[in-house]
Amino acid sequence: DTGVSQDPRHKITKRGQNVTFRCDPISEHNRLYWYRQTLGQGPEFLTYFQNEAQLEKSRLLSDRFSAERPKGSFSTLEIQRTEQGDSAMYLCASSSYGQGDNSPLHFGNGTRLTVT
Amino acid sequence: GEDVEQSLFLSVREGDSSVINCTYTDSSSTYLYWYKQEPGAGLQLLTYIFSNMDMKQDQRLTVLLNKKDKHLSLRIADTQTGDSAIYFCAERRGSTLGRLYFGRGTQLTVWP
Repeated sequence: DTGVSQDPRHKITKRGQNVTFRCDPISEHNRLYWYRQTLGQGPEFLTYFQNEAQLEKSRLLSDRFSAERPKGSFSTLEIQRTEQGDSAMYLCASSSYGQGDNSPLHFGNGTRLTVT
Repeated sequence: GEDVEQSLFLSVREGDSSVINCTYTDSSSTYLYWYKQEPGAGLQLLTYIFSNMDMKQDQRLTVLLNKKDKHLSLRIADTQTGDSAIYFCAERRGSTLGRLYFGRGTQLTVWP
């Protein structure tokens, strides 16, 4: 099965530290999305890429957050100077943009971040 | 409102039908989706419907769309204990193609 893969599954870090997450999308998918999910809430959009271009960023993506997709394949999400409010599940998804914009998003199992 | 709305909890007995409701926000939304999330896992795509359709059936799942009221529902026939999970409704708005907007999810509990 070549679904969306995220690494690590869990990350515990101390406040103020930097963390980086990786996402490998489904291989033929050219769009890649990052979402954040806190307890009891639905996923909230952070940003998305089409190939290597970052097409949209949410207001939620503060200066401490940066996402890259340098070769249009895997992506990384870095959080600098983590805060306790950053504790959440970070979800990656991918889709195939072809004819129209109707391709559903396929999600990975997420990276759970705990900031102590 | 600006948010996709869902009731938070639903409990049913095994073998009964479950109906999960959702109200979305944008009358120009092109596609509406249902996802399932089990504990500690990501979101699994269940089904989706194009906005020019009223109904879609896929095995035990039936999706109904009322565009006038911006109302979407998911019916699960013969609900099983393995269907216990959180179900999310999501819309792809016409104004911001690409991203999906999600509701808070409905926790479905199936009792044996």
